[in-house]
Amino acid sequence: AQSVTQLGSHVSVSEGALVLLRCNYSSSVPPYLFWYVQYPNQGLQLLLKYTTGATLVKGINGFEAEFKKSETSFHLTKPSAHMSDAAEYFCAVKKSSGDKLTFGTGTRLAVRP
Amino acid sequence: DVKVTQSSRYLVKRTGEKVFLECVQDMDHENMFWYRQDPGLGLRLIYFSYDVKMKEKGDIPEGYSVSREKKERFSLILESASTNQTSMYLCASSSNGRSTGELFFGEGSRLTVL
Repeated sequence: AQSVTQLGSHVSVSEGALVLLRCNYSSSVPPYLFWYVQYPNQGLQLLLKYTTGATLVKGINGFEAEFKKSETSFHLTKPSAHMSDAAEYFCAVKKSSGDKLTFGTGTRLAVRP
Repeated sequence: DVKVTQSSRYLVKRTGEKVFLECVQDMDHENMFWYRQDPGLGLRLIYFSYDVKMKEKGDIPEGYSVSREKKERFSLILESASTNQTSMYLCASSSNGRSTGELFFGEGSRLTVL
């Protein structure tokens, strides 16, 4: 069975600082990997995804993530945090397009002025 | 713009009541899902459906049932609500036609059971 581990349930950064949200997965086959974002009182929306090809994936709002097979990681980064980035972020994995999505427990990002 | 609509954003029910949570999608998606979201536990899959009148149990189906009579509509039913079912419920849909099967979510229904 697949699993997803998000290190750090809460992360706080200053406005303008680097954002790094960690995600590690376990999968017996090369996975499909996703990051979703949830703003307060809203549903989840897709931030970015990795399926095949280039391992550095760019998403919306300046976020990007790199698939590192050797480290079984898919960490999310943004060079400069903005106040509007405050939200909860979820990493998710599936084995194939027809598989069910397995979510991590989420990381809540706070951005300090 | 694609849309998944959950009928109620906030509900308050009493223990033992029957609760219906409705979800409608306008994207002609084959697959629909119900998750519950709790702090520190992330999203947990309750039930899903790959086609009309079909349903599959997810990871935590106990205490819940579902109905999918039409392709666009997927209902979650709590036959007899209990306080431990107080949670945020999220509906999602996806298409078989998309290579990655990414999920599109509704805004959620926050249920409080007293």
